[in-house]
Amino acid sequence: EAEVAQSPRYKITEKSQAVAFWCDPISGHATLYWYRQILGQGPELLVQFQDESVVDDSQLPKDRFSAERLKGVDSTLKIQPAELGDSAMYLCASSSGSGETQYFGPGTRLLVL
Amino acid sequence: GEDVEQSLFLSVREGDSSVINCTYTDSSSTYLYWYKQEPGAGLQLLTYIFSNMDMKQDQRLTVLLNKKDKHLSLRIADTQTGDSAIYFCAERGNAGNMLTFGGGTRLMVKP
Repeated sequence: EAEVAQSPRYKITEKSQAVAFWCDPISGHATLYWYRQILGQGPELLVQFQDESVVDDSQLPKDRFSAERLKGVDSTLKIQPAELGDSAMYLCASSSGSGETQYFGPGTRLLVL
Repeated sequence: GEDVEQSLFLSVREGDSSVINCTYTDSSSTYLYWYKQEPGAGLQLLTYIFSNMDMKQDQRLTVLLNKKDKHLSLRIADTQTGDSAIYFCAERGNAGNMLTFGGGTRLMVKP
């Protein structure tokens, strides 16, 4: 069964450092999402791509976060500089054209010290 | 913004039925979802229901939707210890594909 891949699974960094997360969606899925899940809460959407274009990044803290999906396939989410409050699980999801169902990857757990 | 609420915790005995409840505020919701999250893992899609349906059954899972009251429930029949996890309710509005999640209900199944 096709799955969403994410790496790394775990990342520990010091505040003010730069971190990057990678996501490879299910093959053929045009829509890709990045969510942030703070411990004890539900996921919240950071950014949504349709192919290589950003559809919604209204909740992305653009002073320190950036996301790209240059060829409309895999995607990278970057944080620079990382802050203590960025410690969370970063989840990637993808969906096909209809967008009816989103399938999630295993996530990257970030700890900022 | 739109809001999705769930109770924090549910404890049941193995073999009993579990019912997890969810309320939402978006009257224009098109789809409603149930996801399962085990410790340290991503979200696994369990089932979803279109907003013009009031019930959907899938093996041990039954979803009930009361659109008038904006209430969604997930019933798990014959609950097993492997069902212990956090269950998230999510709704999708009619503008784009964005999902709004509840805070999750932790289900504990006692042997």
